[in-house]
Amino acid sequence: DTAVSQTPKYLVTQMGNDKSIKCEQNLGHDTMYWYKQDSKKFLKIMFSYNNKELIINETVPNRFSPKSPDKAHLNLHINSLELGDSAVYFCASSQPGSYGYTFGSGTRLTVV
Amino acid sequence: AQTVTQSQPEMSVQEAETVTLSCTYDTSESNYYLFWYKQPPSRQMILVIRQEAYKQQNATENRFSVNFQKAAKSFSLKISDSQLGDTAMYFCAFMKQAGTASKLTFGTGTRLQVTL
Repeated sequence: DTAVSQTPKYLVTQMGNDKSIKCEQNLGHDTMYWYKQDSKKFLKIMFSYNNKELIINETVPNRFSPKSPDKAHLNLHINSLELGDSAVYFCASSQPGSYGYTFGSGTRLTVV
Repeated sequence: AQTVTQSQPEMSVQEAETVTLSCTYDTSESNYYLFWYKQPPSRQMILVIRQEAYKQQNATENRFSVNFQKAAKSFSLKISDSQLGDTAMYFCAFMKQAGTASKLTFGTGTRLQVTL
């Protein structure tokens, strides 16, 4: 059983389209995150939800909207995709404590 | 704001040798947590080792160990007996507090190549 699973693993789409990435965790963690890894491999937090409540919202364009229907799921919807949105998007989860995150395997988004 | 710096973009080591990856960070917090994550070509982010700042003893996980120097704000990773499977990007990361929705701040990564 995969602890944090993301779908799809790869996504190729045209500029202007709207797309969603889904994330589910079966670890019972209360907190979930979205991170973006750019072409230079730099990882930066986008959002965090704790038990369905938005906790962290970094400076991210309004075109990005997270949704958490329950604490095991955190989806990311992106409107009007731009070339600069091309990146790898990681979902992660954690529990309070010093144990760090458990990451999903990432979604490589390519906007053409 | 916390920053994490990895000054070695790329490193290479021969199989069975030892290599040390550097990481420094900047924070005004007194209690925090530090991590090393590994990202192999498969893209998966794998936790290698973690360190609580209030613990003076350096963390060790099998062939991986850290040299944590709190006053110098330094957190280096030593890999002993390097194996081909250690080839990956290595990210140093900082967490300010272990509470709800604690943000991990990453360094820019070091690409490690293990050669025969």
